[in-house]
Amino acid sequence: DAGVTQSPTHLIKTRGQQVTLRCSPKSGHDTVSWYQQALGQGPQFIFQYYEEEERQRGNFPDRFSGHQFPNYSSELNVNALLLGDSALYLCASSSTGTSRTGELFFGEGSRLTVL
Amino acid sequence: GNSVTQMEGPVTLSEEAFLTINCTYTATGYPSLFWYVQYPGEGLQLLLKATKADDKGSNKGFEATYRKETTSFHLEKGSVQVSDSAVYFCALSGNAGNMLTFGGGTRLMVKP
Repeated sequence: DAGVTQSPTHLIKTRGQQVTLRCSPKSGHDTVSWYQQALGQGPQFIFQYYEEEERQRGNFPDRFSGHQFPNYSSELNVNALLLGDSALYLCASSSTGTSRTGELFFGEGSRLTVL
Repeated sequence: GNSVTQMEGPVTLSEEAFLTINCTYTATGYPSLFWYVQYPGEGLQLLLKATKADDKGSNKGFEATYRKETTSFHLEKGSVQVSDSAVYFCALSGNAGNMLTFGGGTRLMVKP
């Protein structure tokens, strides 16, 4: 049973560019959340998708957007990249059955470096 | 809003030593509490959880008790191993459900 898979694992962009990160949730999961983890810090919630709609959003600017597809996979898009966007971006999946307890399954992340 | 504060690391211990990593939280209502672990080069994994006051979560020799009166969820292990070297994150999930608020993480290094 495949867990949460993310791509790409590493990427380098320059300021002002745009980036798309991809995530496939664990089999049987229908909810995808995205987190940003800056070096040496804890993950920060960006947003969550369920039934192809954004259900919750953290304190991130509109430059951060997302999408969920009918097969529950998801994309995170970041426009007009800033140096401060350099971080590990984590995707986490859950099912409606465990959503109330907050138990999430995380992928290994996509490491974004902005130069 | 919700917040989690955990002791700063790194914490360096010898093998078989006793481990405590402190975690306190601020939240409205009755959150669920979690410890996640991040091994080098891997994603976060759920270590243990507790969903109501006085619950004790346990896994792989680690334990943590949900203390509502002190708003704490300290992680303990009686005898650490080199393989326990990792970064540990305390987290909470509020009444709104599955959005997690994480602490800053504590790096544990266990020496043989």
